[in-house]
Amino acid sequence: DVKVTQSSRYLVKRTGEKVFLECVQDMDHENMFWYRQDPGLGLRLIYFSYDVKMKEKGDIPEGYSVSREKKERFSLILESASTNQTSMYLCASSLSAGGVHEQYFGPGTRLTVT
Amino acid sequence: AQKITQTQPGMFVQEKEAVTLDCTYDTSDPSYGLFWYKQPSSGEMIFLIYQGSYDQQNATEGRYSLNFQKARKSANLVISASQLGDSAMYFCAMREPYSGGGADGLTFGKGTHLIIQP
Repeated sequence: DVKVTQSSRYLVKRTGEKVFLECVQDMDHENMFWYRQDPGLGLRLIYFSYDVKMKEKGDIPEGYSVSREKKERFSLILESASTNQTSMYLCASSLSAGGVHEQYFGPGTRLTVT
Repeated sequence: AQKITQTQPGMFVQEKEAVTLDCTYDTSDPSYGLFWYKQPSSGEMIFLIYQGSYDQQNATEGRYSLNFQKARKSANLVISASQLGDSAMYFCAMREPYSGGGADGLTFGKGTHLIIQP
């Protein structure tokens, strides 16, 4: 079974702190994604990566950056956390493009910025 | 404009009844894929079913089927013989080809909260 894990289920940070959210997948997937989920808005894509060191902006990249130094690990970075970044963050992975491949999601990290 | 529209914020259904969850989409690309995910209260997103734009037949996976009406741009999820464990949020999502090459993310609807009553 594909397994996508995220470093924390719950996280509380202060405004202005630098925040790292880590995601690891164990199925050698090329693609990895970060979404945020807010009530009434569904999931929105922040960033994705299709290879090591490769990244692309999604729909809402402002205030975020990402890092992918190893194939299995994709990190989401909030350089200076703000209260409007309080949300549920979901990581996902999938096999490479060029076919139809569903995305497998991690359990999510509920981040609260105070 | 929204690319994925789910018009039912919430639904109550009696156990064992069939359920139809609505999804309409908007794209000008002839090649796309449509997905349905389930999110129980635990929070994890669970893939249910996929329909490709060129697929001739409606997708089915166990109790799940997708009523794909391409001309109407609709991809409704049908759950037959609903069970209490089907209570969850359900999201419709679309994948379009990404012009930049490589991977591309999914565009999600806002979801439908389905509650199955005994």
